[in-house]
Amino acid sequence: DTAVSQTPKYLVTQMGNDKSIKCEQNLGHDTMYWYKQDSKKFLKIMFSYNNKELIINETVPNRFSPKSPDKAHLNLHINSLELGDSAVYFCASSQEHSQETQYFGPGTRLLVL
Amino acid sequence: AQSVTQLDSQVPVFEEAPVELRCNYSSSVSVYLFWYVQYPNQGLQLLLKYLSGSTLVESINGFEAEFNKSQTSFHLRKPSVHISDTAEYFCAVGTGANNLFFGTGTRLTVIP
Repeated sequence: DTAVSQTPKYLVTQMGNDKSIKCEQNLGHDTMYWYKQDSKKFLKIMFSYNNKELIINETVPNRFSPKSPDKAHLNLHINSLELGDSAVYFCASSQEHSQETQYFGPGTRLLVL
Repeated sequence: AQSVTQLDSQVPVFEEAPVELRCNYSSSVSVYLFWYVQYPNQGLQLLLKYLSGSTLVESINGFEAEFNKSQTSFHLRKPSVHISDTAEYFCAVGTGANNLFFGTGTRLTVIP
């Protein structure tokens, strides 16, 4: 009965590869997010997405693309992985509105070699 | 634009001692304020939030935070910490859009 789940939990891959991280929420929320947490624990929003629009943080390289097959899923695709992509990636969800609590997944630890 | 500053990157404190984790924000619009906690190897969890009304908000595990509009602060306090409070604490600000802006986090270490 996990609220927000992510797979895989760990991901080790070579530079240049393409990889995906999956996220699912069973809370019935309208909005989902992807965050990147670097080695210094700094947490940065990458995308937010609901049925109506995708909001992209302009600093995110276009190698990153979110894909939502349905309201409960928001997957993250990463092309041509680089060393600097190594981080922990968190998925989150909430009802639509910034005052609503965001519920976070457990994180995916990505290591690019 | 919004920003959040957590001046203390690390706060060590002895068990049963009080603690304050500082958070200051800047915003040109009305904000909602949050404290999230991240235990080791886990995702973030909401600790407490201020939306409107009483400026003092409390969590179920003894933390409290006070919204101070004139000082643009939302400091987190607990009168007596436990070992289990060891974690990373993030202050965040939200506005009319869906996005949250997080501070850089404060690592609270409770020493036995």
